[in-house]
Amino acid sequence: QLQLQESGPGLVKPSETLSLTCTVSGGSISSSSYYWGWIRQPPGKGLEWIGSIYYSGSTYYNPSLKSRVTISVDTSKNQFSLKLSSVTAADTAVYYCARRGATVTTGYGMDVWGQGTTVTVSS
Amino acid sequence: SYELTQPPSVSVSPGQTARITCSGDALPKQYAYWYQQKPGQAPVLVIYKDSERPSGIPERFSGSSSGTTVTLTISGVQAEDEADYYCQSADSSGTPHVVFGGGTKLTVL
Repeated sequence: QLQLQESGPGLVKPSETLSLTCTVSGGSISSSSYYWGWIRQPPGKGLEWIGSIYYSGSTYYNPSLKSRVTISVDTSKNQFSLKLSSVTAADTAVYYCARRGATVTTGYGMDVWGQGTTVTVSS
Repeated sequence: SYELTQPPSVSVSPGQTARITCSGDALPKQYAYWYQQKPGQAPVLVIYKDSERPSGIPERFSGSSSGTTVTLTISGVQAEDEADYYCQSADSSGTPHVVFGGGTKLTVL
């Protein structure tokens, strides 16, 4: 079955760029029926959508993070990636990647999630 | 910015019915989705398109919609249902932007 796995550094210094990759296995990232996205959860807090990407490269970002976020896709590697620039301690969180439906048939919910990766911003 | 509002907490005894609400102005036009999250785990989709249940989700989980409020109902609550629950939808513009509610902690007494 489809699986998603986040990877990347667990510790990032303030003002630097956080970079994470999500590897998709058991299915193709090039499906026209899905978006691929990033969600984060600060310690003890709720879920925050960061952004999503379509296999074609179209991107959609949370307006509150848009100036610092870049999401890209590499269909040849079945991966998509997140870059968050100028990080501060407020960006410390568990970062999840997830598949989101893109059609009326699939609905627009996130039906497959990675296990999450903890990123700490600290010097 | 668009918001979804959930109660911070709901408490029920085992075997009773738990109802968790989510309110938002765009909900009459956009489907809602519900996620269950247990400590240390990734969220799990338990309801999609307001009231549909994914395969593998127990029948005691159901969803409904009325105007600007959607409701997740858990009938015959079990101890294992204790978790945080989040609603999710999109804003009314129809773009693929995602909005989450603040989450509701369900406590099974």
